[in-house]
Amino acid sequence: GAVVSQHPSRVICKSGTSVKIECRSLDFQATTMFWYRQFPKQSLMLMATSNEGSKATYEQGVEKDKFLINHASLTLSTLTVTSAHPEDSSFYICSERAGGLETQYFGPGTRLLVL
Amino acid sequence: QQQVKQSPQSLIVQKGGISIINCAYENTAFDYFPWYQQFPGKGPALLIAIRPDVSEKKEGRFTISFNKSAKQFSLHIMDSQPGDSATYFCAASMMSGSRLTFGEGTQLTVNP
Repeated sequence: GAVVSQHPSRVICKSGTSVKIECRSLDFQATTMFWYRQFPKQSLMLMATSNEGSKATYEQGVEKDKFLINHASLTLSTLTVTSAHPEDSSFYICSERAGGLETQYFGPGTRLLVL
Repeated sequence: QQQVKQSPQSLIVQKGGISIINCAYENTAFDYFPWYQQFPGKGPALLIAIRPDVSEKKEGRFTISFNKSAKQFSLHIMDSQPGDSATYFCAASMMSGSRLTFGEGTQLTVNP
């Protein structure tokens, strides 16, 4: 399967700061990337879908001005949590899909803790 | 209509036994059904997937059974091992590669 990396794997920040999470496709060009959030012992919740070179499509209830997504190249998508608050503490996971393929491959996730 | 219902929430199996996890969906437009395995602190990893034109798919110890008329599909893990202890998620999507709708997850524990 495809290889997806995320950086950082863990981040602790103070309330009010912004945090950027990178998602990289290491072995093929991902035309579409997805960003999920997962709370402990819960399922994955889709936050947004990003296509290379265009604006992300956010799910209902996800604040696009708080969770900024950039998909500037076929191998890199970034999620920036702006003015993070403790309730944003979660496990953030990206996935990728190459055009024409049905399978999504997930990154290893980023654990965000906002103090 | 977008929901995928998964059961049981948790499952304990003895080593060598069969683990069975079930999922049900409502939307008949779903045409791709993957299963993911997730270990604590890690991202989900694709285990096996099926399309509705077949009723069963087997890969090693993992088998998906698919019942189109009942709108149900299940994952069977044969000869379950302690290393299989993880959370399993079923999912479904409409059209190839569109957004995945996940089940609630099943925490599997395989006792030695």
